[in-house]
Parts: sequence; C-alpha cells; structure tokens
Amino acid sequence: NAGVMQNPRHLVRRRGQEARLRCSPMKGHSHVYWYRQLPEEGLKFMVYLQKENIIDESGMPKERFSAEFPKEGPSILRIQQVVRGDSAAYFCASSPGEGTANTEAFFGQGTRLTVV
Amino acid sequence: TQLLEQSPQFLSIQEGENLTVYCNSSSVFSSLQWYRQEPGEGPVLLVTVVTGGEVKKLKRLTFQFGDARKDSSLHITAAQTGDTGLYLCAGEHSSASKIIFGSGTRLSIRP
Repeated sequence: NAGVMQNPRHLVRRRGQEARLRCSPMKGHSHVYWYRQLPEEGLKFMVYLQKENIIDESGMPKERFSAEFPKEGPSILRIQQVVRGDSAAYFCASSPGEGTANTEAFFGQGTRLTVV
Repeated sequence: TQLLEQSPQFLSIQEGENLTVYCNSSSVFSSLQWYRQEPGEGPVLLVTVVTGGEVKKLKRLTFQFGDARKDSSLHITAAQTGDTGLYLCAGEHSSASKIIFGSGTRLSIRP
C-alpha cells in the first residue's frame, strides 16, 4: 500500500498522559500536513512540515502540541498532558512538495484520539 | 477570516435530483482541489482545477474553476445515495504556504 499511513487508527488516553500520532507519507512525498477535525466539522489546519523543517505551525496551540518530520522515519504529532478537549480526529496528508502538484494532498485514514 | 467559503453548509436532497455546491473566495488561487470525505475516513481527492474557466467532468460530477480563479463549483447530476458525504474545497493561497480548506458542504442523498 503506497498511500499515506497513519497509526494508530484509534487511541485512548487518560487526562494528563501523552499522545503520539504517527504519519508515514506517500513514497516520494517530502511535505506533510496535520489537520484536526471535530465531529460534524471541517478540517482545521495545524502544521505544515518538510523533512527536518517546520514550514508553518500557525495552527498549532502554543502549549502541549509539537510536531516533527525527521530525515528518517514518520512524522510525529505529539500532544503532552492531554485534556478532554483534545479528543478529535487527527488527519495527516502528504504532498510532493514541488510544482503545481504540490497542492494535491493525499490523506491518511486518521487517528481518532479519545481522552477519558 | 475564512479564506474559502463553501455553500451551502448542509444539503439534503432526493435521489435523482441535481445539485450544485460552491466554493468562494475574495483571493486568487493558483489551483483548487475538491475532496470528498465519508464518515470515519480521510478526505479523498476528486479533482484539481488549475486554469481560469476550466471545466472538468468525473462521471456525474462537473467541476468548474471561475475565470478569475477565485471561486469554483461542483455540480452533481442525478444524485445517488453513494454521493453522500462531506465535500471540501482546498487550495494554496498565494500569501500562505499551506493548503487551506473550506468548511465543507455536508451532502445527504435520500433514497
């Protein structure tokens, strides 16, 4: 399967724990986006990364949230000390990073985080 | 301020009817994408429009990019229950480095 892979699909955390969400982009894609979606709502931009570099993190909360896309391995969205309000679906998308095709983002199936 | 406004927000119609949903902006986009998202799944890319005035067809779906590249529409002919889902437009704004999404049109087709 050469698509965008996210894991886990479902994640349950107690308040105060840490959540780590992983995203492996499509082969050949060098740019990764993270979006958050609440039930019955649209996608809210969080962060845009290329390998070893954060391009735009204007949608990320200033505290407790961080993202990385290392030279090797998947992109990681990390949420520290989770609260109930962090419960949502988190989607990762990847794009080629060059040319007009750069705006064609392909999505993973998401990680559904539930904070109890 | 939402850079991409989609309308209507919700639409429920009978199977077999036609419908149009809109994606509007006051800004120019180099290209626009349309995605469809089904419950519990990630958005799936349907089409990319690049040239002002461009029309693309995908079976019963017709996508149009406005002449000024500020708006786009999606027309569905003879809607089927399988068309039910959240339709999202997206684009890379010239002043932003990221892909931004409209708030979506939630479409429900009744049998």
